[in-house]
Amino acid sequence: ELKVEQNPLFLSMQEGKNYTIYCNYSTTSDRLYWYRQDPGKSLESLFVLLSNGAVKQEGRLMASLDTKARLSTLHITAAVHDLSATYFCAVDKQGDYKLSFGAGTTVTVRA
Amino acid sequence: DTAVSQTPKYLVTQMGNDKSIKCEQNLGHDTMYWYKQDSKKFLKIMFSYNNKELIINETVPNRFSPKSPDKAHLNLHINSLELGDSAVYFCASSQAPTGVEQYFGPGTRLTVT
Repeated sequence: ELKVEQNPLFLSMQEGKNYTIYCNYSTTSDRLYWYRQDPGKSLESLFVLLSNGAVKQEGRLMASLDTKARLSTLHITAAVHDLSATYFCAVDKQGDYKLSFGAGTTVTVRA
Repeated sequence: DTAVSQTPKYLVTQMGNDKSIKCEQNLGHDTMYWYKQDSKKFLKIMFSYNNKELIINETVPNRFSPKSPDKAHLNLHINSLELGDSAVYFCASSQAPTGVEQYFGPGTRLTVT
């Protein structure tokens, strides 16, 4: 069974500082996804990473994928309050349509 | 326009009842999903249909039955509701079964008393 582990599970950020969320997975895959969920809301797609070395950036968020290490990182630059949310990574493996989610990282940005 | 919509948004019911949740997408996607999110925010796939064909059928009680009348709709029927069924159920859709982002509906918060 594909296991997806995120850390940290909770992250208290100070405005203006940089942070990284890590996502490790247990089996070979070159497809990794990041989603954001605001409290009480739905999930919103942030990034789709489909190859080793893929890097995508949107605003203060940058995601990368290292398929050999089975690791993706979500880097947050100069945190702002609007980034407070829960961030999920998810993985599926070739030949299997099932998306397996990590437990989520709950981010709180404080002044 | 809402891309993926679900009804109802909230559902409070008693143990033993039967209930349905409806989902519709207007994105023209071929693939639709049902997910369950528990109280600890853990998300688990339940079912997926691609072009009206069931392609994911996870280990869920057979009290849960999905139905896809057409590519734009995927409904979830739950028989004999139990306390442990209380959760938020999300519908989602995507252009293809894999390799693309999924678009999630607003969720249905089911509370079984």
